[in-house]
Amino acid sequence: ETGVTQTPRHLVMGMTNKKSLKCEQHLGHNAMYWYKQSAKKPLELMFVYNFKEQTENNSVPSRFSPECPNSSHLFLHLHTLQPEDSALYLCASSQDLPAGYNEQFFGPGTRLTVL
Amino acid sequence: GENVEQHPSTLSVQEGDSAVIKCTYSDSASNYFPWYKQELGKGPQLIIDIRSNVGEKKDQRIAVTLNKTAKHFSLHITETQPEDSAVYFCAASGGAGSYQLTFGKGTKLSVIP
Repeated sequence: ETGVTQTPRHLVMGMTNKKSLKCEQHLGHNAMYWYKQSAKKPLELMFVYNFKEQTENNSVPSRFSPECPNSSHLFLHLHTLQPEDSALYLCASSQDLPAGYNEQFFGPGTRLTVL
Repeated sequence: GENVEQHPSTLSVQEGDSAVIKCTYSDSASNYFPWYKQELGKGPQLIIDIRSNVGEKKDQRIAVTLNKTAKHFSLHITETQPEDSAVYFCAASGGAGSYQLTFGKGTKLSVIP
């Protein structure tokens, strides 16, 4: 595997379910990101981790819980989601921070549908 | 915070013609402006970027121009090909202390063979 991988690629869940999204980067980067991509809206940054430490949380509801056990892996734990949370969730990584000096590499995303 | 506006939202061109996508930003401290291409079923991929100390940058058929005074930047694709069909996003980042890229809403480009 190369680059940034995400699993699963598609996920359908009920509002009472608990699920997790997984991201893995094979680039040796130190920073990882979660973005939400909804139709006709800009990419929304959710969380930023640098060297496993969370550096940004953009007022994301607590039903989204990130976890970064090491610099190569990033998880997004989901529980009691709402239908409006349906979107494409993208993971990205960069060598370091800040965003203005380090190219971000994106994974293919997980298409999430909340019923 | 930063706000990035992108136009048009959709663009159709004949193969071989040029395509231009324009973005404006609000934060005069922003100094890094990347462009991403997102193909169907894939994540965005950086295609070109420009920093505020440069007015224009070119890479083969792709060029980006920046007007800091007017706070707008544009992506130019010449001699378009069907494989250029994708969604293009502009973004801006506000200086060395900013961890964030602020993205535009995207432009869906269709190149008609």
